[in-house]
Amino acid sequence: GENVEQHPSTLSVQEGDSAVIKCTYSDSASNYFPWYKQELGKRPQLIIDIRSNVGEKKDQRIAVTLNKTAKHFSLHITETQPEDSAVYFCAATWADQAGTALIFGKGTTLSVSS
Amino acid sequence: GAVVSQHPSRVICKSGTSVKIECRSLDFQATTMFWYRQFPKQSLMLMATSNEGSKATYEQGVEKDKFLINHASLTLSTLTVTSAHPEDSSFYICSARDSGLSSGRAGELFFGEGSRLTVL
Repeated sequence: GENVEQHPSTLSVQEGDSAVIKCTYSDSASNYFPWYKQELGKRPQLIIDIRSNVGEKKDQRIAVTLNKTAKHFSLHITETQPEDSAVYFCAATWADQAGTALIFGKGTTLSVSS
Repeated sequence: GAVVSQHPSRVICKSGTSVKIECRSLDFQATTMFWYRQFPKQSLMLMATSNEGSKATYEQGVEKDKFLINHASLTLSTLTVTSAHPEDSSFYICSARDSGLSSGRAGELFFGEGSRLTVL
């Protein structure tokens, strides 16, 4: 089955700096890679996703890159703000099959200090 | 947007009792729902895949007799923690994939609000 590795586990940055979180996956059949932000005690919130037919996707300060050959994908947050502080999870799945679950990385705790 | 509702959000029970958690897709049909467990400061671990009208598929290490899953309709899946013990205390989150049968959004995944179980 799929296995997702995520690094780093914790990341501290100054407000305005960029933050990068990296994930690798094992199953070459996976074709959908979402990123979630989770605040304490709340459900994960989808912040951006990418499918295997593209290499990069951007939404304002957030971008995701995908390297299918190397089986890794990364989240980039620019101009970080204190409200970006949260736990971020990457995930991977085969989106074409409705019965296939998301497999999550272990999470990255991002702290943005002002 | 699509909504998945999970109930109860918090439950405290005595050791040895059973607790039922409901997961409902409110505006779409979900042939498949997924149950995750999240311990403090850890990731979401897949427990089982719930399929409408058939038996759930459990991940390795998850006891099917302890975590009973029922998916009797296209909008409701339930997770029952039987004979709960303190080590079962956790945050349980369901997610549902839109089957697209009526919405045209096949494949989108939505999360419930989560249920925090505390077993005394």
